[in-house]
Amino acid sequence: DSGVTQTPKHLITATGQRVTLRCSPRSGDLSVYWYQQSLDQGLQFLIQYYNGEERAKGNILERFSAQQFPDLHSELNLSSLELGDSALYFCASSVTGTSGTDTQYFGPGTRLTVL
Amino acid sequence: AQSVTQLGSHVSVSEGALVLLRCNYSSSVPPYLFWYVQYPNQGLQLLLKYTSAATLVKGINGFEAEFKKSETSFHLTKPSAHMSDAAEYFCAVKGNAGNMLTFGGGTRLMVKP
Repeated sequence: DSGVTQTPKHLITATGQRVTLRCSPRSGDLSVYWYQQSLDQGLQFLIQYYNGEERAKGNILERFSAQQFPDLHSELNLSSLELGDSALYFCASSVTGTSGTDTQYFGPGTRLTVL
Repeated sequence: AQSVTQLGSHVSVSEGALVLLRCNYSSSVPPYLFWYVQYPNQGLQLLLKYTSAATLVKGINGFEAEFKKSETSFHLTKPSAHMSDAAEYFCAVKGNAGNMLTFGGGTRLMVKP
């Protein structure tokens, strides 16, 4: 158990819908990262938040957005869902998010299926 | 920009045999390198990391990796495979901005009895 929690574990929805994935980082970690794992794209970085502020952006679609709240939990919002958005979405956390030696600890993931 | 290439999407070994999973990286700055393992239906677990200290890094479950700058490699090894090692292994390099991880395509390790 990494200490990172993600809810829900599974999510099944229809095209065009909007969903919210939630992540709680390990106690004491200030930085949260979101990654997408799909069969065709592999593991890709989406976005990073550090202490409530967006710090880095990767291959995140405009239909996707995220935020980190004062209690440091984070939410990833996916809207106008398409079949291709079906994937495993991971959240990870680290202590600072600014040190290269920081270890990212991953949650168990949310499996999103878009029908 | 940095990138990671993992040679061999599937590797099969016999129980007790040497495990060798290959990883080559590309980075414009001295890299930080990581190996993660993913068991079925689980998240990623850190096996080991290279952070510019010793070039031979020891990790959990008997795994180790050697950083070779001249070969831009960070191969993962284990002297003797166990059935419980069957999983997918990911090599990753840390980038410059925001410490995001760039992952290789993964190698699925199968262990035959």
